[in-house]
Amino acid sequence: GALVYQYPRRTICKSGTSMRMECQAVGFQATSVAWYRQSPQKTFELIALSTVNSAIKYEQNFTQEKFPISHPNLSFSSMTVLNAYLEDRGLYLCGAYRVSNQAPLFGEGTRLSVL
Amino acid sequence: GQQVQQSPTSLVLQEGENAELQCNFSTSLNSMQWFYQRPGGSLISVFYNPSGTKQSGRLTSTTVIKERRSSLHISSSQITDSGTYLCAMGTNTGKLTFGDGTVLTVKP
Repeated sequence: GALVYQYPRRTICKSGTSMRMECQAVGFQATSVAWYRQSPQKTFELIALSTVNSAIKYEQNFTQEKFPISHPNLSFSSMTVLNAYLEDRGLYLCGAYRVSNQAPLFGEGTRLSVL
Repeated sequence: GQQVQQSPTSLVLQEGENAELQCNFSTSLNSMQWFYQRPGGSLISVFYNPSGTKQSGRLTSTTVIKERRSSLHISSSQITDSGTYLCAMGTNTGKLTFGDGTVLTVKP
């Protein structure tokens, strides 16, 4: 079956350091990948939408300088949180699309804590 | 203002009771989806329901696109139904905008 695997599931980093998280589509090809963040006591916000062979589109309040994303092929994407601070804590979800405007398949997320 | 409004924000039920969760959208949408978030975080798609009514076991989702609303009905609730239910509207680019969620607690 098709699933999305995210790694790591949980991570802790020191304030000011960086953290890379990965997203793997298994059993299907992901034409697009979306990264979302759920901050404590908040709902999910879209960080960016990445389509293979196209520019990555970042939402307002999120930048490539802070959240660089790599999407080298149809099965893998990674995102780094650079210079993480307390406000970057939360659950980061990767949603992979088989077809760009249809329902994405979500991974279980990477939970980031910042000390 | 918020594009996706969910109600109620929280709901407490006795096991066996029914639940009705609502989602209203302030803009036109291409699709909508209901998710269940387990305590602990992972997100499970419950329904992808751009329009009409869909049923899966004890869950029924009804979306009326022209009225910009969707509902999720849970019948004969069970303790294991407890968690957060989120609705999200989708655009034609695939972007999802989430509501704040309804926290459901089912007590024995």
